[in-house]
Amino acid sequence: AQSVTQPDIHITVSEGASLELRCNYSYGATPYLFWYVQSPGQGLQLLLKYFSGDTLVQGIKGFEAEFKRSQSSFNLRKPSVHWSDAAEYFCAVTGFQKLVFGTGTRLLVSP
Amino acid sequence: EPEVTQTPSHQVTQMGQEVILRCVPISNHLYFYWYRQILGQKVEFLVSFYNNEISEKSEIFDDQFSVERPDGSNFTLKIRSTKLEDSAMYFCATRNTEAFFGQGTRLTVV
Repeated sequence: AQSVTQPDIHITVSEGASLELRCNYSYGATPYLFWYVQSPGQGLQLLLKYFSGDTLVQGIKGFEAEFKRSQSSFNLRKPSVHWSDAAEYFCAVTGFQKLVFGTGTRLLVSP
Repeated sequence: EPEVTQTPSHQVTQMGQEVILRCVPISNHLYFYWYRQILGQKVEFLVSFYNNEISEKSEIFDDQFSVERPDGSNFTLKIRSTKLEDSAMYFCATRNTEAFFGQGTRLTVV
């Protein structure tokens, strides 16, 4: 069965610093991978997705993620974090049916 | 950008009452989903719906829950006899390739 692990429950980053959120997945075939962001009390907004092709994918708000099949990872990165990036980030995997989400990483941005 | 619309945004109901959560999917999407997020926890899959029938459901989706597409457009989640532990955000999602999520319905059972 597919699963997603986000090992970091909380991460605090200084504004302007770089960010990397970790995501490891388990899936028997080629996965479709996603990162979603959720602000408090809000819905889920898609940041980026990987289906096939180039393993480095660009998303909205300056985010990118790299699919590494050998490590079963799909880490999210941003070179310079803004205070407005503070939110909960969810990694998700699917094989073309239901999405399976990780437990999320809460990003805190310090001044 | 296309969007999934959920109503109501908030619902407060008494324990034991029935609630219906509504979702208007993106018009050309074929797959529909309901997810649940208990406060502070991860997003959990409830059920998927394709070709007017349930294609997959989780352990959470017991006889208390049902889904339907009554008029070919709206996609509804019905919870019969709500319990306190049903309090959560409920998200509808629709997809062809990537999933688009609605803003959610916050259900509070008192």
